[in-house]
Amino acid sequence: EAAVTQSPRNKVAVTGGKVTLSCNQTNNHNNMYWYRQDTGHGLRLIHYSYGAGSTEKGDIPDGYKASRPSQENFSLILELATPSQTSVYFCASGDSREQYFGPGTRLTVL
Amino acid sequence: GDSVTQTEGLVTLTEGLPVMLNCTYQTIYSNPFLFWYVQHLNESPRLLLKSFTDNKRTEHQGFHATLHKSSSSFHLQKSSAQLSDSALYYCALYGSFNKLTFGAGTRLAVCP
Repeated sequence: EAAVTQSPRNKVAVTGGKVTLSCNQTNNHNNMYWYRQDTGHGLRLIHYSYGAGSTEKGDIPDGYKASRPSQENFSLILELATPSQTSVYFCASGDSREQYFGPGTRLTVL
Repeated sequence: GDSVTQTEGLVTLTEGLPVMLNCTYQTIYSNPFLFWYVQHLNESPRLLLKSFTDNKRTEHQGFHATLHKSSSSFHLQKSSAQLSDSALYYCALYGSFNKLTFGAGTRLAVCP
């Protein structure tokens, strides 16, 4: 079974602060993804990566950066967090056949 | 770009009745992959079923769907709803640019 883990699972941040969400996968997948989930919008792609050292902008990249230092790790960085970034964030790894999602991180920006 | 439309935000059913959740898509990619993901409360999305082949029915865990490229549709069906089917269902398209595009999701609530 594919394994994707995320940390932290819950985070409360202050407006203007820096937030880093981490994701680790043990599936040896080349592709990794960051999504946010909001009621009425479903899952929206923020950034993705084809492999170590690569990051690509998804559909809603503004206000977010990503980093893929290794095959296993993919981070999402909010340099200046805003209340509009309050959401549940999911990391996933996979390919065209299937994506495996992590447990999610609930982020609240006050 | 690619897009997926799920017309129902909420579907409420009585246990035992048939389920049909609608999904249509748009893409310029000639061989799209279509998926249904299911997300139960406080869990992460997981794959329910997928299809790459036009007009071929695919089934899993009592659910089935058929990809119809002529109408750009991939509706999810089940003959008899169970209480445990209550969840959020996402239709998704793997078309251009090596990424999934999700619909807004349909919440299915099955009542006794």
